[in-house]
Amino acid sequence: NAGVTQTPKFQVLKTGQSMTLQCAQDMNHNSMYWYRQDPGMGLRLIYYSASEGTTDKGEVPNGYNVSRLNKREFSLRLESAAPSQTSVYFCASSEALRGGAFGETQYFGPGTRLLVL
Amino acid sequence: SQQGEEDPQALSIQEGENATMNCSYKTSINNLQWYRQNSGRGLVHLILIRSNEREKHSGRLRVTLDTSKKSSSLLITASRAADTASYFCATNDMRFGAGTRLTVKP
Repeated sequence: NAGVTQTPKFQVLKTGQSMTLQCAQDMNHNSMYWYRQDPGMGLRLIYYSASEGTTDKGEVPNGYNVSRLNKREFSLRLESAAPSQTSVYFCASSEALRGGAFGETQYFGPGTRLLVL
Repeated sequence: SQQGEEDPQALSIQEGENATMNCSYKTSINNLQWYRQNSGRGLVHLILIRSNEREKHSGRLRVTLDTSKKSSSLLITASRAADTASYFCATNDMRFGAGTRLTVKP
């Protein structure tokens, strides 16, 4: 099993450009998440999907959109990138056995490093 | 705002010593998790402790939870150079602190 995979590993954008970060998991997990991590800080939740067909805002959703394409895939889109979105983006998934999106072990991907000039 | 806050921010010890890091949080929780992050990598889950548990062990790791003080601690015994990483706590709504950066010198 590959676990959680993310593409691309690294991306440089100019201000105003758009891009989609891809995430896929092969663990048959119900819930998926997108986080950003800025230097010297912990992770902040951008969006999450408790189950296929649902998405909800996290702590810092502004400037982002998400799509839960199917149970395996959860993408994050930046419509008009800004320098403030320079960060490392992590995708995670969780079995979420108890019906909620949180409270269970999360499995993280390796991250996408995004630089917006 | 961040729910879990780790202390200290940085910790440097010699191989073989024990490392203790603490986490404080603000609101009631159902559980608390500890994660490790090696430099430039994703987070790896270490331990989940539920609100009705006081202590949990996993190999060289020992986690305690005091819900009355809204705090948790992670103890790594007999540390190794490979334990060098950042350690984060997260409450059940997955709000992370800034982490404790642990350096274990060989």
